[in-house]
Amino acid sequence: QKEVEQNSGPLSVPEGAIASLNCTYSDRVSQSFFWYRQYSGKSPELIMSIYSNGDKEDGRFTAQLNKASQYVSLLIRDSQPSDSATYLCAVKLRLGGKLIFGQGTELSVKP
Amino acid sequence: DAGITQSPRHKVTETGTPVTLRCHQTENHRYMYWYRQDPGHGLRLIHYSYGVKDTDKGEVSDGYSVSRSKTEDFLLTLESATSSQTSVYFCAISEFRGQAINQPQHFGDGTRLSIL
Repeated sequence: QKEVEQNSGPLSVPEGAIASLNCTYSDRVSQSFFWYRQYSGKSPELIMSIYSNGDKEDGRFTAQLNKASQYVSLLIRDSQPSDSATYLCAVKLRLGGKLIFGQGTELSVKP
Repeated sequence: DAGITQSPRHKVTETGTPVTLRCHQTENHRYMYWYRQDPGHGLRLIHYSYGVKDTDKGEVSDGYSVSRSKTEDFLLTLESATSSQTSVYFCAISEFRGQAINQPQHFGDGTRLSIL
């Protein structure tokens, strides 16, 4: 089992819809969870971090964490074509603080 | 944007030649990382540093070495480049605030390296 798993997609949603991106992780003691956005040919850009169970909202983005289920998700409300990118889930292992990335989910928002 | 500069941004070289990539930061962050990103493999950690002259291996460290003689600079060296090391290389930094596990990493713009 991979340490961090994401559906590779592509996930296609119409403009204005809610995009839901999912991530599962294998290490029960993981403490820190991050979502990065990566446009084609560019570097990963941090968009959300979450450390506690529940929801965390920032503008159109909501991160959801459920440690019991080892599941973290990212919701993008009112999706825009400019949201089209690959979204990387990253989990920081407690030991050594290393960041493990999922393969990324490609999101396409159609006008 | 985090002050991270990678150089060169693009490089083409031949198999068997040494290659050094540089990461320079102006944020005075303690932690620095080197990743490679390949289709089908995502981002994989090569080496990281938790202070000057303090480095450790990541998951794909074979064929790579690193050095950190100053807080602001982290060098990645391919001693004898092979075609399998053709990739996009990213440097990242994170700060230490008593609990490093909670600090996110911020990435440089990347170096596209082609080894023929």
